[in-house]
Amino acid sequence: AQTVTQSQPEMSVQEAETVTLSCTYDTSENNYYLFWYKQPPSRQMILVIRQEAYKQQNATENRFSVNFQKAAKSFSLKISDSQLGDTAMYFCAFTDSGGGADGLTFGKGTHLIIQP
Amino acid sequence: GAGVSQSPSNKVTEKGKDVELRCDPISGHTALYWYRQSLGQGLEFLIYFQGNSAPDKSGLPSDRFSAERTGGSVSTLTIQRTQQEDSAVYLCASSLGLRAGGRETQYFGPGTRLLVL
Repeated sequence: AQTVTQSQPEMSVQEAETVTLSCTYDTSENNYYLFWYKQPPSRQMILVIRQEAYKQQNATENRFSVNFQKAAKSFSLKISDSQLGDTAMYFCAFTDSGGGADGLTFGKGTHLIIQP
Repeated sequence: GAGVSQSPSNKVTEKGKDVELRCDPISGHTALYWYRQSLGQGLEFLIYFQGNSAPDKSGLPSDRFSAERTGGSVSTLTIQRTQQEDSAVYLCASSLGLRAGGRETQYFGPGTRLLVL
């Protein structure tokens, strides 16, 4: 079974700083997909960024980028120029490229607090 | 277009009562997923529908839980004889499905917060 580990239960940084959230996973699959989701107090899970394992290039979305290290099974999220609106729970998630019936496997989450 | 919607937003019920949670996926999405989010267990995958079919129901926590989907659209998650440990946020997600050719992104609804007294 796949597992996803987020080792930082909570992080706090000042506005405009850069912060990196860590995520490691365990799988025997070669093809899979990794995601970072953001969950603000409104409960809505919002996709931040997605990475396909067969792509060597790290995904980026504006201020958000990942450091994907396939051999190390590591998938960290970097948030540059952090903003107050970035305050939320962040979840790392994994799914393999199978037929769809597996759903996402989530980590326990990191509570990120951006201080003014 | 409109996102995934769920109703009710919040539900308070008494132990032993049945509850029904509803999910309306994004139009055109053939795949639908249910998850449970609780303090103790984190986010758990419950069940997946491709169209109206759920190929694997083993993720449902007990036989008190059931789910159905009709017309390839709306899905309901029913919990019979609710217990206090059923208290959680129930999240629904949808995606384009197998016709998209791979593991495409799941888009989530706002969830239903269930409290069993």
